[in-house]
Amino acid sequence: GAGVSQSPRYKVAKRGQDVALRCDPISGHVSLFWYQQALGQGPEFLTYFQNEAQLDKSGLPSDRFFAERPEGSVSTLKIQRTQQEDSAVYLCASSSKGGIGLADNEQFFGPGTRLTVL
Amino acid sequence: AQSVTQLDSQVPVFEEAPVELRCNYSSSVSVYLFWYVQYPNQGLQLLLKYLSGSTLVKGINGFEAEFNKSQTSFHLRKPSVHISDTAEYFCAVITMNTGFQKLVFGTGTRLLVSP
Repeated sequence: GAGVSQSPRYKVAKRGQDVALRCDPISGHVSLFWYQQALGQGPEFLTYFQNEAQLDKSGLPSDRFFAERPEGSVSTLKIQRTQQEDSAVYLCASSSKGGIGLADNEQFFGPGTRLTVL
Repeated sequence: AQSVTQLDSQVPVFEEAPVELRCNYSSSVSVYLFWYVQYPNQGLQLLLKYLSGSTLVKGINGFEAEFNKSQTSFHLRKPSVHISDTAEYFCAVITMNTGFQKLVFGTGTRLLVSP
């Protein structure tokens, strides 16, 4: 399809396991965002890529969280040594442009990956 | 830092009745405002946005919102709701001083439409 896709859609991990969440943005989109949505809350920003460059990672909760986008398209969010507080829906969004002064640069969201840590 | 407050966590309403979902923001700089809808097990979909110009913004599915700078509000309205409007609604803000379009979301309002 033409939208943002994420895989897996659901992931159950035992505490202490490492997980990797994948995001396929819309083809040609420059910007890619990761958000974390805890149960009953709004999405919270994690990190931002412009092409392959990670320009902001201020929202990553700890050094157990790591994101990459090596070729400027697909992105992976990795969580090491998962904890119960990591349980959330992880949303990926992409937009066609990058940079400053482009408030009309709509973000298109994927369906999310629901991570449950037991 | 900017923040968004959605005062109502849940709004029950009967089908064909009007509805208003409230949103207030705080920011010391110019803001751009958005409403997103999230259906169960789906991603966020943009309903409407305010960037500049007319303070009354019309969006998809018959929704509209009014930007009120003096009250720092951006309430979402629909004159007549349908069962299919049952979903979670998020208000969000962007400020451009971060250098890119980082969305800051409210906690959401669940709209429950019953027959």
